[in-house]
Amino acid sequence: QVQLVQSGAEVKKPGASVKVSCKASGYTFRSYGISWVRQAPGQGLEWMGWTSGNNDNRNYAQKVQGRVTMTTDTSTSTAYMELRSLRSDDTAVYYCARVSMVQGVTPRLFDSWGQGTLVTVSS
Amino acid sequence: QSVLTQPPSVSGAPGQRVTISCTGSSSNIGAVYDVHWYQQLPGTAPKLLIYGNNNRPSGVPDRFSGSKSGTSASLAITGLQAEDEADYYCQSYDSSLSGYVFGIGTKVTVL
Repeated sequence: QVQLVQSGAEVKKPGASVKVSCKASGYTFRSYGISWVRQAPGQGLEWMGWTSGNNDNRNYAQKVQGRVTMTTDTSTSTAYMELRSLRSDDTAVYYCARVSMVQGVTPRLFDSWGQGTLVTVSS
Repeated sequence: QSVLTQPPSVSGAPGQRVTISCTGSSSNIGAVYDVHWYQQLPGTAPKLLIYGNNNRPSGVPDRFSGSKSGTSASLAITGLQAEDEADYYCQSYDSSLSGYVFGIGTKVTVL
């Protein structure tokens, strides 16, 4: 079965960087993209960006453009999300999600999710 | 502020029917883009509930149904059960933002 397992919780100081990993199993990694979605405490879901499974294409949300880099490593079936210049409002649970394409349906959908990684930004 | 508007909360007694609206605009739902719905149980990751406006993934009970008309979409839960108490999010794509967008989420409470 499809499984996405994320790295553990992180505590960072303002201005630092964080890199979260998402290891995939149960499917052909190159064939699906990975999106990253975050959820601040008590808030809703916010899409951050997307990267293709074979690491040749990506698209970032305007809000984090310039501070985020999303990559994949096909040799280990792992996706990474690095966020730089952290601020207190970056405190959130970060989820990776598999991006699937269904014929006749637009846009693509997020059909499997990781368990989430809590990133806390605090001085 | 999300470009997709949902009511913050809805509630119903067990067995009742509740609906959740998701209102967008001509750059997202009103364009060529479909709507997907996700269920987030307390303390867990979101789960795909409805895709392509009205399709259920394998394993999702047929108590859940979706529809889309114009710039809005709806999720209906019939025969409400205690286990349906969760947050529900609509999701689509916005051509002005060139990215995926989520609604603010709706908390469903079973009375």
